[in-house]
Amino acid sequence: EAQVTQNPRYLITVTGKKLTVTCSQNMNHEYMSWYRQDPGLGLRQIYYSMNVEVTDKGDVPEGYKVSRKEKRNFPLILESPSPNQTSLYFCASMLRGQVFNQPQHFGDGTRLSIL
Amino acid sequence: ILNVEQSPQSLHVQEGDSTNFTCSFPSSNFYALHWYRWETAKSPEALFVMTLNGDEKKKGRISATLNTKEGYSYLYIKGSQPEDSATYLCAFTNTGNQFYFGTGTSLTVIP
Repeated sequence: EAQVTQNPRYLITVTGKKLTVTCSQNMNHEYMSWYRQDPGLGLRQIYYSMNVEVTDKGDVPEGYKVSRKEKRNFPLILESPSPNQTSLYFCASMLRGQVFNQPQHFGDGTRLSIL
Repeated sequence: ILNVEQSPQSLHVQEGDSTNFTCSFPSSNFYALHWYRWETAKSPEALFVMTLNGDEKKKGRISATLNTKEGYSYLYIKGSQPEDSATYLCAFTNTGNQFYFGTGTSLTVIP
């Protein structure tokens, strides 16, 4: 089954304790992206990646890091989490290359609470 | 940051009613407009990707139109059913890489 898998689905942690949210897709998509969803705000893009070893900042990259060492994986790293990073996070992937204007495929979301 | 607005914020309709809502986006440097359907506790699912001015797309009872010159897209649902209850999101991109989402329209269909 074609899917985007995020782990963990839920995490409660404390300020300053480094954490990684993993994202993996099995559709051989070139493009991957991370979003956060906060009440009253639309999905906001944190980082995106056009392909392996290529990453770019979205609208809200502060406090986050990403890496794209393999095509299928795009982990989101919070080196020193703070309470304002408490949010619902979505990973998404999208086919690019010769095929343009394809939709994004989203993971099931990761709800992070940072105390 | 580009501004993408959706209206109304929420909508309650009776089963069988037809409804529509709006996504407004910058009218310059248009690349594509995406529509997604997001049910509670699930992930957003793609409805349409629209790229050309005047585009009309249809999937079952749901259809969408696009006006890139004036910067808006309409989503229509004909004969709403309770299973249509969800939040409908639009996302604008001017490059194909960076996406700007609206805050969504929450639709509740009352049986």
